Amino acid sequence: GDSVTQMEGPVTLSEEAFLTINCTYTATGYPSLFWYVQYPGEGLQLLLKATKADDKGSNKGFEATYRKETTSFHLEKGSVQVSDSAVYFCAQSRGGSYIPTFGRGTSLIVHP
Amino acid sequence: EAQVTQNPRYLITVTGKKLTVTCSQNMNHEYMSWYRQDPGLGLRQIYYSMNVEVTDKGDVPEGYKVSRKEKRNFPLILESPSPNQTSLYFCASSGQGASGYTFGSGTRLTVV
Repeated sequence: GDSVTQMEGPVTLSEEAFLTINCTYTATGYPSLFWYVQYPGEGLQLLLKATKADDKGSNKGFEATYRKETTSFHLEKGSVQVSDSAVYFCAQSRGGSYIPTFGRGTSLIVHP
Repeated sequence: EAQVTQNPRYLITVTGKKLTVTCSQNMNHEYMSWYRQDPGLGLRQIYYSMNVEVTDKGDVPEGYKVSRKEKRNFPLILESPSPNQTSLYFCASSGQGASGYTFGSGTRLTVV
């Protein structure tokens, strides 16, 4: 069935370091792909999305490119800040609907 | 303001005492879902709805009920709560197209 696998955390970085969080998916057809972010004590917020192969989603300095050939949607940021500390979830749409399937989440901790 | 509103935010109850967690959205969204979030397990879908009177089971539906009598509301019902339903619950909604989900702020439920 459809699934999303993302790297386990926590990922611990110093401020201004480069960030990559890996995400791969299995799906029938061509799902839309999403990254969500959950700040401490809050619900999830949509961070970025891509709806077809080779699309690049971007927001707040974060980027991810929909790679059909490797079934991946890795999240990157060139220079992280302490305020980026959160849990990041990769997700894909489920089948022909817009019901997402989520990965298990990756905790990011950024130290000053 | 476009939002998903869940109530209550926190709830402590006893085993076997029926409870309802309410969820309401003001965006005229067709799709609504309930998730539970547990440490190490990420987000797991309980039930979802694709429109009024259309609901279906997610990955972990046992012990839960839902209804969708109106488009804006999607309550989660625990007929006989048990301690293994202690969790953080999120309601979310989405419109047509790959716009992503809007999440509520969460309900932290403790069953003793």
